[in-house]
Amino acid sequence: GAVVSQHPSWVICKSGTSVKIECRSLDFQATTMFWYRQFPKQSLMLMATSNEGSKATYEQGVEKDKFLINHASLTLSTLTVTSAHPEDSSFYICSASKVDEQFFGPGTRLTVL
Amino acid sequence: GDSVTQMEGPVTLSEEAFLTINCTYTATGYPSLFWYVQYPGEGLQLLLKATKADDKGSNKGFEATYRKETTSFHLEKGSVQVSDSAVYFCAFWMDSSYKLIFGSGTRLLVRP
Repeated sequence: GAVVSQHPSWVICKSGTSVKIECRSLDFQATTMFWYRQFPKQSLMLMATSNEGSKATYEQGVEKDKFLINHASLTLSTLTVTSAHPEDSSFYICSASKVDEQFFGPGTRLTVL
Repeated sequence: GDSVTQMEGPVTLSEEAFLTINCTYTATGYPSLFWYVQYPGEGLQLLLKATKADDKGSNKGFEATYRKETTSFHLEKGSVQVSDSAVYFCAFWMDSSYKLIFGSGTRLLVRP
C-alpha cells in the first residue's frame, strides 16, 4: 500500500499565531511531496512542490514567507502557516509521489479565529 | 493555460441509475488523465487513470476513456450505489510542469 498521513486533522488557532501541519508517507519514501489548499466546494489548488533536501517550489501567488515548507526527510514534509489570519482558514491537503502516482493525505482543516 | 472543466454538481441520482460526469481538458501535449474520489471526511483516492489516447481506465464499475480528439475523459458507471456518494475530481498530469491540474469537482448524491 501507499499511505499518507497528516497531523493534525484539524486545528483552531488565534489570529497571529503559527500552525505547523505534518505530512508523512508511512510505508514508502517520497522524494517529492505536494501541498494543496481546498476551499469549500472548490477544487484543490497547488500551493507548492516540496523536494527532499531542497527548497520548495511555490506556485504563483503563494507567499513563501507565510507558508513555510520543510521537507527534511523522505517521509516527512511540514507546512507552517505563519502569523495566521482568518483568511488562511481552509482545508490543507498534502500528497506524496510514488513512482508515477500521487497519494493524498486525509487533509487538515485549519480555522483561524 | 492548462485547465480542467467538469460538470457542476450536485448530481443527484437514484440507486442503480446510470452515471455520467463530463470532463474536458485544455493542455499542451499529451497528459495523463485521472479521476479521483473524495468520500466524506476522507482524503482523495485515485479511482482510475489513463495515460494515452483511447486507453480506458476502470475500477469499481467506473469507466473513463481518454479521447484525444475531443480532449475529454468522461466518467461513467452503469449502476450507482448509495456508497458511491462522494465528490469526484477529474485531473491531468503534465510531465513538463510536474503537477496535477484538478477540475472543480462534482458532488454525487445517490439516494436509496
